[in-house]
Amino acid sequence: EDKVVQSPLSLVVHEGDTVTLNCSYEVTNFRSLLWYKQEKKAPTFLFMLTSSGIEKKSGRLSSILDKKELFSILNITATQTGDSAVYLCAPEGGTSYDKVIFGPGTSLSVIP
Amino acid sequence: NAGVTQTPKFRVLKTGQSMTLLCAQDMNHEYMYWYRQDPGMGLRLIHYSVGEGTTAKGEVPDGYNVSRLKKQNFLLGLESAAPSQTSVYFCASSEKREKLFFGSGTQLSVL
Repeated sequence: EDKVVQSPLSLVVHEGDTVTLNCSYEVTNFRSLLWYKQEKKAPTFLFMLTSSGIEKKSGRLSSILDKKELFSILNITATQTGDSAVYLCAPEGGTSYDKVIFGPGTSLSVIP
Repeated sequence: NAGVTQTPKFRVLKTGQSMTLLCAQDMNHEYMYWYRQDPGMGLRLIHYSVGEGTTAKGEVPDGYNVSRLKKQNFLLGLESAAPSQTSVYFCASSEKREKLFFGSGTQLSVL
């Protein structure tokens, strides 16, 4: 059975802190891993990772995938209150058809 | 440029009633998904489709049916609604092995 675990489930930090969010997965025929940000509405896309060891960056956010150890991390540096959201990781894979399943999310609160 | 459109946005049902949620996408995507999201939880996959005329079960398919008669539409049906189906429902679409585009969600309450 496919499984996605995210840690921590909840995190409170002060503005300016750096955070690391973790995602581990067990997915048959793994293809890629997606990261999304959700702020009380539909999730918005952050990254898609397909290759191990290649860091993807977008401003203060970065992410990397380790296909051997079956995990990914999302880093946010110099956090701002606007980073407060739920961060979801979603591996893609499957037995018959490829599908995307989501982890439970990490709820990040950034306080001034 | 609509993207992914879900209708309705809100609905209240009584236990035992039936309803259909409609998802329409205008990006010519092959893959379409239905997820539900409950408070404090991530998105759980209900059913999905990899092309017109195909459907497959996700993680939590019981109590739901789907149809993909046209490539641009993916319908989610509740035959006999139960309070446990109170949730926010999200539809998404994608090309194969590409990022998902989400609709704005449907808030469903079953009393």
